[in-house]
Amino acid sequence: DAKTTQPTSMDCAEGRAANLPCNHSTISGNEYVYWYRQIHSQGPQYIIHGLKNNETNEMASLIITEDRKSSTLILPHATLRDTAVYYCIVRVANAGGTSYGKLTFGQGTILTVHP
Amino acid sequence: DTGVSQDPRHKITKRGQNVTFRCDPISEHNRLYWYRQTLGQGPEFLTYFQNEAQLEKSRLLSDRFSAERPKGSFSTLEIQRTEQGDSAMYLCASSPTESGNTIYFGEGSWLTVV
Repeated sequence: DAKTTQPTSMDCAEGRAANLPCNHSTISGNEYVYWYRQIHSQGPQYIIHGLKNNETNEMASLIITEDRKSSTLILPHATLRDTAVYYCIVRVANAGGTSYGKLTFGQGTILTVHP
Repeated sequence: DTGVSQDPRHKITKRGQNVTFRCDPISEHNRLYWYRQTLGQGPEFLTYFQNEAQLEKSRLLSDRFSAERPKGSFSTLEIQRTEQGDSAMYLCASSPTESGNTIYFGEGSWLTVV
């Protein structure tokens, strides 16, 4: 699986957008980009994933560059409860285009949302 | 949908004792994963099952560790002759095999070896 690089930590003011970058310059054409977060002492929580196109759900938006070598997770209106470690992970897809297999976590980005 | 359930949530044991953790995946999820997480680190993959078959094991899974999923539903992770280095959070996760193959995690089982 391709490796990812994320900043160690970031700050964000409550109510503002949080933009979390991720570099995955060695990503392969059949690898998805996944984002999870982990609030202290809890299990990782799935946020969003994408292959080539930008994606949006009720939690966040995922912007993937055209060359797929980097992506940005956007939390549009950060709250104090969004303070967590955010993990960017690339995950291989099978021949049918469905992502499968284990997730390989890095160190992630510690996002602190302050009042 | 009740989510991935793990039991016990916390376990304190003396060095040398055996411990067992149970995981109940999301209903009808065919794949089940075990991860370990130590303080300050991201989760590390241990093993995963497709139904009852154990398909991959990490080098982290030493001979003292054994995982089973006998009927393709719940799974157990047993650690024999625990060592202080085994202190960690043990995470279970599950996923379907259809499209949208997202992995969902449980809340984890904390192990402290004293």
